Amino acid sequence: QKEVEQDPGPLSVPEGAIVSLNCTYSNSAFQYFMWYRQYSRKGPELLMYTYSSGNKEDGRFTAQVDKSSKYISLFIRDSQPSDSATYLCAMSAGTDKLIFGTGTRLQVFP
Amino acid sequence: DVKVTQSSRYLVKRTGEKVFLECVQDMDHENMFWYRQDPGLGLRLIYFSYDVKMKEKGDIPEGYSVSREKKERFSLILESASTNQTSMYLCASSPYQDTQYFGPGTRLTVL
Repeated sequence: QKEVEQDPGPLSVPEGAIVSLNCTYSNSAFQYFMWYRQYSRKGPELLMYTYSSGNKEDGRFTAQVDKSSKYISLFIRDSQPSDSATYLCAMSAGTDKLIFGTGTRLQVFP
Repeated sequence: DVKVTQSSRYLVKRTGEKVFLECVQDMDHENMFWYRQDPGLGLRLIYFSYDVKMKEKGDIPEGYSVSREKKERFSLILESASTNQTSMYLCASSPYQDTQYFGPGTRLTVL
């Protein structure tokens, strides 16, 4: 079993939809949770960073962490075609290494 | 803004060649990382470095070596390139025990 599981998609939604992206994990020591966005043929860019449980909001993006269920989510409101990318979750137990999900490909069509 | 640059965006090499991939960061970060990214396999850690001249093996170090002579520069070396090393190579840097910032990637093709 992988430490971090992420549905590869693709997830295809119309412009304006609310998107929910999710990851589950098995290591209860994870405390730091990140979401990266990666456009085609580019490097991942940091989108959201959360410590421990709870919600964090940044514009149209909300990151949610439920440590009791070992489940994290990224919500995108009012999705735009420019949001079309692969979204990677990543997490850490406070060491220097990050454990990544394999990524979910999102397509937002006009 | 954190800036991580990689020496090439696209590279084509022949089997058996020695290949150097270079990464430079401008934020004085202690840690630097090399990953490869393949469809369906996600990001896999090759090597990382906590400090100058320090290196640690990641999950898939076989066929690779690294060099960190200066804090801002971390090089990945393929001693004798093989076709199964065709991949997207990503460099990242981070402050101590914090999130990682990635470069644009080098798409390497080995013929």
